[in-house]
Amino acid sequence: GAGVSQTPSNKVTEKGKYVELRCDPISGHTALYWYRQSLGQGPEFLIYFQGTGAADDSGLPNDRFFAVRPEGSVSTLKIQRTERGDSAVYLCASSPKGLAGGGGNEQFFGPGTRLTVL
Amino acid sequence: KNEVEQSPQNLTAQEGEFITINCSYSVGISALHWLQQHPGGGIVSLFMLSSGKKKHGRLIATINIQEKHSSLHITASHPRDSAVYICAARYNTDKLIFGTGTRLQVFP
Repeated sequence: GAGVSQTPSNKVTEKGKYVELRCDPISGHTALYWYRQSLGQGPEFLIYFQGTGAADDSGLPNDRFFAVRPEGSVSTLKIQRTERGDSAVYLCASSPKGLAGGGGNEQFFGPGTRLTVL
Repeated sequence: KNEVEQSPQNLTAQEGEFITINCSYSVGISALHWLQQHPGGGIVSLFMLSSGKKKHGRLIATINIQEKHSSLHITASHPRDSAVYICAARYNTDKLIFGTGTRLQVFP
C-alpha cells in the first residue's frame, strides 16, 4: 500500500515569498505530524494533528508558520514571508491513532520536502 | 538544551563488527524510538520500546528506564547498514524529541 507522500520534493523560493508544503498521510491514519530537519541535525517537532484539529502546535517557531488539515487527511504547512533560516527539510509523519487513540504508535515518515530560501 | 543526547556522533566500522549506539534522555518518557535515515532523507522506524529489549534480525534495542538510557546494537555489521541512526523520546504529548543522530559508515 501507499506510504506517506509529500509534495513537492524540492522547493526553491525567494526570501519574502509564501510557500505551501503538502502531506498525504497513510489512508486511515488519524494522527499527523510535521517536523523540520536542518542540515546535520535531528528533526525537530513543529505541530501534531489528531483528526482535523491541531493537538499540539508548540513547535511552530513563529506566526509565519501555519498548518491545516481540514478534512482529517491531507495536511498543508504554510510559511509566510519566508526567510533564509527557514531552509530545511520538512518531514511529515502519520500514525494510526496518536495519543487520543491510546498513543504509543509507530510513526511512518514521508520522504520530506527540501525547502531552499534564497 | 536538547533533552535527548546521542553518542557517538560519527562511527566507522569494518564489516562484521559489533556496533553500539547510545542514547540518553533527561526526564521520564513514555516510549523511546530508534529510527534509521538513509542518504536522501527517508526515515524508517526501527524500534519503539518502553522497557526491556527488542530484537529484529541483526538489530537489538535495549532501554533502562532507571538510568534513562537506551542502546541500539548491530551485530555482524554490513555496508548496507551505513546510515544515520536517530533516537527519539516520546513524552506525554505524543510528540517526538529527537537526538542529533549517529552517522554510521561500515566499510567492506
